[in-house]
Amino acid sequence: LAKTTQPISMDSYEGQEVNITCSHNNIATNDYITWYQQFPSQGPRFIIQGYKTKVTNEVASLFIPADRKSSTLSLPRVSLSDTAVYYCLVGDPTLGRLYFGRGTQLTVWP
Amino acid sequence: AAGVIQSPRHLIKEKRETATLKCYPIPRHDTVYWYQQGPGQDPQFLISFYEKMQSDKGSIPDRFSAQQFSDYHSELNMSSLELGDSALYFCASSLGSGKDSYEQYFGPGTRLTVT
Repeated sequence: LAKTTQPISMDSYEGQEVNITCSHNNIATNDYITWYQQFPSQGPRFIIQGYKTKVTNEVASLFIPADRKSSTLSLPRVSLSDTAVYYCLVGDPTLGRLYFGRGTQLTVWP
Repeated sequence: AAGVIQSPRHLIKEKRETATLKCYPIPRHDTVYWYQQGPGQDPQFLISFYEKMQSDKGSIPDRFSAQQFSDYHSELNMSSLELGDSALYFCASSLGSGKDSYEQYFGPGTRLTVT
């Protein structure tokens, strides 16, 4: 199981772009990189998933370098409602279960 | 759009009592997962079911059991409750097991308090 390391906390202001980097040095060939968002007392919510290069959807972008030993979640123009914990998960999706490590508490200030 | 339904939303039990948590997955989803999140902790995987069969098992205590029924809803049964069982219990569902996506849809959770 690939161990992930991400910052414990980050601060930003409304309208700024936020980049959260996750390191996963022992990522395996079959592993995908997935990010979830969690608000207090709510269930985690899927944000984005990727295997390599760049993935973009309506809420975020995920950048994965060629060696796949790290990844960066990019949130464009954050708002106060983006204040949440963001989890980086690395694993083989065919196994099903999600391993949540220590997430990053993002706080967006007005 | 329909979401994952969990009941009850809040539950207070005393030590050594039993509790049953229910989960109703998104329609047509055939896989259910249970997670436990203690205060200030990260979610921990407990158990999962695919097509009514247990598909994976995590850090679920022997005092807990779960099953998935013919209508795909799932129940988590907890016996001999301990103070340390106080946590948020999330159910998540997805379509198909062994797919290439980690996209699971989480319910609002059941907050269990053991006194």
